[in-house]
Amino acid sequence: DTAVSQTPKYLVTQMGNDKSIKCEQNLGHDTMYWYKQDSKKFLKIMFSYNNKELIINETVPNRFSPKSPDKAHLNLHINSLELGDSAVYFCASSLGGARVGTQYFGPGTRLLVL
Amino acid sequence: KNEVEQSPQNLTAQEGEFITINCSYSVGISALHWLQQHPGGGIVSLFMLSSGKKKHGRLIATINIQEKHSSLHITASHPRDSAVYICAVRSSREYGNKLVFGAGTILRVKS
Repeated sequence: DTAVSQTPKYLVTQMGNDKSIKCEQNLGHDTMYWYKQDSKKFLKIMFSYNNKELIINETVPNRFSPKSPDKAHLNLHINSLELGDSAVYFCASSLGGARVGTQYFGPGTRLLVL
Repeated sequence: KNEVEQSPQNLTAQEGEFITINCSYSVGISALHWLQQHPGGGIVSLFMLSSGKKKHGRLIATINIQEKHSSLHITASHPRDSAVYICAVRSSREYGNKLVFGAGTILRVKS
């Protein structure tokens, strides 16, 4: 069974479109994350939720909106896609709070904006 | 200047060689992570440590808190170890509770 899953794996879309990426974890973790990996392979945190509450919100455009319907899911919606949004987006999960632990990563979603 | 510096950026080794990848950081941390990113893109967490040394199979991670430095060693390297190795630190005081990543070390092990 996949611990952290993301859909879709690949996403090719036109500039200006709106798209969503979904993430689910079955590890019983209470904290989930979205990371962006740019063309230079540099990973950077975008958002983190703990028990459905937003706890990390980095400087990302307002076009990016995370949504956590429950502890096991963290979705990322992107409005008005731009060329610079092309990247690999990774979801991850861990135990949080005082027990912040090892992060488990999803397989990544490769987004290409044309 | 990145808050987490890794060296070398690229490393090519012959199968069987002992490999060391270094990570230096500039702030007090609560934990340091070593991650492996496979050529296919998947990311796996190798170690999380806050002091001393950890070993898993042929991989050994050490950390020196006073010197703000960590090393990842691979003994008896194998072509399947070819990957990008990424160091990341967590500092609740400096960075909230997020991970800050190094740029990665690209390792290629030739047979």
